[in-house]
Amino acid sequence: AQSVSQHNHHVILSEAASLELGCNYSYGGTVNLFWYVQYPGQHLQLLLKYFSGDPLVKGIKGFEAEFIKSKFSFNLRKPSVQWSDTAEYFCAVNAGNMLTFGGGTRLMVKP
Amino acid sequence: DAMVIQNPRYQVTQFGKPVTLSCSQTLNHNVMYWYQQKSSQAPKLLFHYYDKDFNNEADTPDNFQSRRPNTSFCFLDIRSPGLGDAAMYLCATSRIGPQTGDTQYFGPGTRLTVL
Repeated sequence: AQSVSQHNHHVILSEAASLELGCNYSYGGTVNLFWYVQYPGQHLQLLLKYFSGDPLVKGIKGFEAEFIKSKFSFNLRKPSVQWSDTAEYFCAVNAGNMLTFGGGTRLMVKP
Repeated sequence: DAMVIQNPRYQVTQFGKPVTLSCSQTLNHNVMYWYQQKSSQAPKLLFHYYDKDFNNEADTPDNFQSRRPNTSFCFLDIRSPGLGDAAMYLCATSRIGPQTGDTQYFGPGTRLTVL
């Protein structure tokens, strides 16, 4: 069965700091990869996704993620975070018939 | 514009008292999903409908049932809620099947409290 690991459960950054959230998955076949964000009190929203092609994927609000197949990783990055990026971030992998989520990373950005 | 709507947003029930959560969508998507998300945990898929075809996850307890009377609506029935069923319940939709990796659109969730 596929699994998804997000190693950072809580991250605290100051505004303008750079962000990288780790995501690793276990599945040997073809995968589709997603990052979802959940702002306080709001529903899960898609940030970006990788299906095929360029392994560097750009999403909304200045986020990007890089798929490194050899490392089974799909890390999320943003060069300069803002206070409004405070949220919980979920990595998710679709392999086969279901979407499997990681445990989430709570990001707090201090103004 | 709301696309996936869940009612109610907060639901309180008593131990063992059946409860129904509802989800509706304006996207005309073929697939509707129900997830359970406990505090500080990842959303966990309970089941999904592809049109009228019901697909139950192997480890979803029998206590959880679902109905999809039409394309727009899907219900989650918990027949005898236990304290361990307190969680956020998320409804999601996708245009085509989960095996395609299609993007899923989530509702705001219903937070269930069991007293």
